[in-house]
Amino acid sequence: QKEVEQDPGPLSVPEGAIVSLNCTYSNSAFQYFMWYRQYSRKGPELLMYTYSSGNKEDGRFTAQVDKSSKYISLFIRDSQPSDSATYLCAMKNGNNRLAFGKGNQVVVIP
Amino acid sequence: EAGVTQFPSHSVIEKGQTVTLRCDPISGHDNLYWYRRVMGKEIKFLLHFVKESKQDESGMPNNRFLAERTGGTYSTLKVQPAELEDSGVYFCASSRSAQETQYFGPGTRLLVL
Repeated sequence: QKEVEQDPGPLSVPEGAIVSLNCTYSNSAFQYFMWYRQYSRKGPELLMYTYSSGNKEDGRFTAQVDKSSKYISLFIRDSQPSDSATYLCAMKNGNNRLAFGKGNQVVVIP
Repeated sequence: EAGVTQFPSHSVIEKGQTVTLRCDPISGHDNLYWYRRVMGKEIKFLLHFVKESKQDESGMPNNRFLAERTGGTYSTLKVQPAELEDSGVYFCASSRSAQETQYFGPGTRLLVL
């Protein structure tokens, strides 16, 4: 069983729509949860970081963690064409190796 | 502040050859990480340096891979001899402390023919 599962299917949405992405994980030792955004030919860049169950908002982005269900989500409100990128969930426990999901390619259509 | 840089951006080599990838972390970042993404798979951890010491190399796939970080500055990852399954994108990341955000470089795209 993979540590982190992220359905890698692409996602196309019209501009202004809400984008919803999610990951599940099997390792209950994970304490820190992240979402990275990766533009084409670039490295991943940290978008959201949280370490507790619940919601965390940053502008149009909301990260949600449910440790009891081992489930994390990212919501993008009022999506813009500039949000078109691959979104990767990542998590880690007490050591510092990140465990990534496969990523979702999101396309926001103007 | 300059970000993490990696060289080369692309490398195409034949099976059995040697390739050396280089990573320059953000200045002042003691922690340096190597990750790899092979086609169709997720990004996977290879190893973690703290300054010049290997803190965790449990993700290194086999002894054909050798990572060094001389003087605790830049790092190199050598693959010798390269195999077809080594093809992928190799990312380097750095962080000031082990608990802080890891900043990624743009990656080196390696193709082994």
